[in-house]
Amino acid sequence: DTGVSQDPRHKITKRGQNVTFRCDPISEHNRLYWYRQTLGQGPEFLTYFQNEAQLEKSRLLSDRFSAERPKGSFSTLEIQRTEQGDSAMYLCASSLSARVSPQYFGPGTRLTVT
Amino acid sequence: SQQGEEDPQALSIQEGENATMNCSYKTSINNLQWYRQNSGRGLVHLILIRSNEREKHSGRLRVTLDTSKKSSSLLITASRAADTASYFCAPRTGANSKLTFGKGITLSVRP
Repeated sequence: DTGVSQDPRHKITKRGQNVTFRCDPISEHNRLYWYRQTLGQGPEFLTYFQNEAQLEKSRLLSDRFSAERPKGSFSTLEIQRTEQGDSAMYLCASSLSARVSPQYFGPGTRLTVT
Repeated sequence: SQQGEEDPQALSIQEGENATMNCSYKTSINNLQWYRQNSGRGLVHLILIRSNEREKHSGRLRVTLDTSKKSSSLLITASRAADTASYFCAPRTGANSKLTFGKGITLSVRP
């Protein structure tokens, strides 16, 4: 499968625990994005990378959130000290860097914080 | 970046009918993209229309763009039950890489 993959697909955690999600983009894509989506809403932008450089972070990305993309390949999104409000679908997407390149989304990681 | 506003919020049609969904935006764009999302899944890119294009087709999909009215429409012809999903538009300015989504349109196609 040459699409965007995310792992895990589902995560249930207790409040206060740390969680880490992984995203593997389409191999030739140099841009990688993270979005968060809650029920009934569209995805909200969190952050994006061009190669290994994190170029933009949303104000939604509090200090408890950190994302990395070492070596410009896969990316991880970590949430520390999870809160119930962090429960959402976390979506990863990748694209080429051209302005007219669409973004290709992974299946998402559904996080439930109990 | 700017957010597209989709209309209507929900649409229910019979299989075989056409579905028309609209999107409006506020400032100049480089391109506008439409995405589909089946329940609980990731988004699937449907079609991208550039600011200098007025109409684009892909299979049963037809997208129009009117930059003077800052609006776009997505037409799905001969709808199928499998078209049941949420649809999002994402207008994209030249300077920004991220996409900003509205609440989307929930399309239900009744068999």
